[in-house]
Amino acid sequence: DAGITQSPRHKVTETGTPVTLRCHQTENHRYMYWYRQDPGHGLRLIHYSYGVKDTDKGEVSDGYSVSRSKTEDFLLTLESATSSQTSVYFCAISESSVAGQYTGELFFGEGSRLTVL
Amino acid sequence: KNEVEQSPQNLTAQEGEFITINCSYSVGISALHWLQQHPGGGIVSLFMLSSGKKKHGRLIATINIQEKHSSLHITASHPRDSAVYICAVTALNTGNQFYFGTGTSLTVIP
Repeated sequence: DAGITQSPRHKVTETGTPVTLRCHQTENHRYMYWYRQDPGHGLRLIHYSYGVKDTDKGEVSDGYSVSRSKTEDFLLTLESATSSQTSVYFCAISESSVAGQYTGELFFGEGSRLTVL
Repeated sequence: KNEVEQSPQNLTAQEGEFITINCSYSVGISALHWLQQHPGGGIVSLFMLSSGKKKHGRLIATINIQEKHSSLHITASHPRDSAVYICAVTALNTGNQFYFGTGTSLTVIP
């Protein structure tokens, strides 16, 4: 199994409070992703990173920010949580190539269930 | 617009039945992935393929690049196969981005 852990796994918070979710990997993969999963929508990309301090927005980035100061850690921050951000959040990692060979398998963390009251 | 479409959305089968889940995509890809998610659980990669066929136990995944179509087959289905199966593609020229189908919910009845 790929070494990828998310914390916290469960969190209940109130509207307007800041929340940070952490994703930690031990695989030294270049790419890291934050997705949210909601019924009827499948997995939607919030933000992703293609290297240390290199990040970009996904399709549902409003209200979220990210940081990646080390290869192994990718943080997702909700500056002021809203009820619409109640969801299950998944971190994923991938590597595009190793020694010229396409690898690209996608590995997911166990998910973080966030409830905003 | 959905770059990845799966069918059926829901599937109920009797234990032992042969199951097929289909995936069609509309973008150029470098790979296609089949993922499995058990209720309340994490997401696990079953297959990554860019051509032909792969087999792992009772699971078989095929892809037809020309037709932009993939199938996931489960032979001799078992209740423990009950899960959501998600098709995803690694899109070309997108910096290693993935597009996901909305999943097929499979229930296998004993």
